[in-house]
Amino acid sequence: AQSVTQLDSHVSVSEGTPVLLRCNYSSSYSPSLFWYVQHPNKGLQLLLKYTSAATLVKGINGFEAEFKKSETSFHLTKPSAHMSDAAEYFCVVSDLIKAAGNKLTFGGGTRVLVKP
Amino acid sequence: DTGVSQNPRHKITKRGQNVTFRCDPISEHNRLYWYRQTLGQGPEFLTYFQNEAQLEKSRLLSDRFSAERPKGSFSTLEIQRTEQGDSAMYLCASSLAGSTEKLFFGSGTQLSVL
Repeated sequence: AQSVTQLDSHVSVSEGTPVLLRCNYSSSYSPSLFWYVQHPNKGLQLLLKYTSAATLVKGINGFEAEFKKSETSFHLTKPSAHMSDAAEYFCVVSDLIKAAGNKLTFGGGTRVLVKP
Repeated sequence: DTGVSQNPRHKITKRGQNVTFRCDPISEHNRLYWYRQTLGQGPEFLTYFQNEAQLEKSRLLSDRFSAERPKGSFSTLEIQRTEQGDSAMYLCASSLAGSTEKLFFGSGTQLSVL
């Protein structure tokens, strides 16, 4: 079974400084990996998706993630944090299920606090 | 609003009661997923429909849990004889089948079992 581990449950950054959210995955084959963001009282929103094309993936709101097979990592970064980035972030791996459906396996989440 | 809609937003019930949640997916989406999220954890897959067919339900937590999507549009998730451990956020997501499938999530139904 595939799995993901988010190495930090909480990250605190100052506005305007870089953000790094760490994720390691476990997979027996080349995985599909995602980052989702969850703001309070809102649905999960897809930030970006890796599916074996370019190893550096750019997403929405200035986020990007780099797939490193040798390190089994898929860390999420943003050069300059904004107050609106305060949320919970989930690293996700996808398994194909019947009729090519996608069963998402979520990491435990990283809560980001942005200080003014 | 054309996103995924879930009702109710909050449900408080007493242990032993039955509860039913509803999910209205984005109208043209043929796939619908249910997930459960407990406090401090990431969402956990429960079940999946393609149109009206329930194709994967092995992760439904017990026989007290059941889901339906009778006409391939909205779906319901029912929990019978609720227990305190059922307290969680129940999330629904929908998508259009394809090689670049993207799931759209609703805001969830927060269940509290007293």
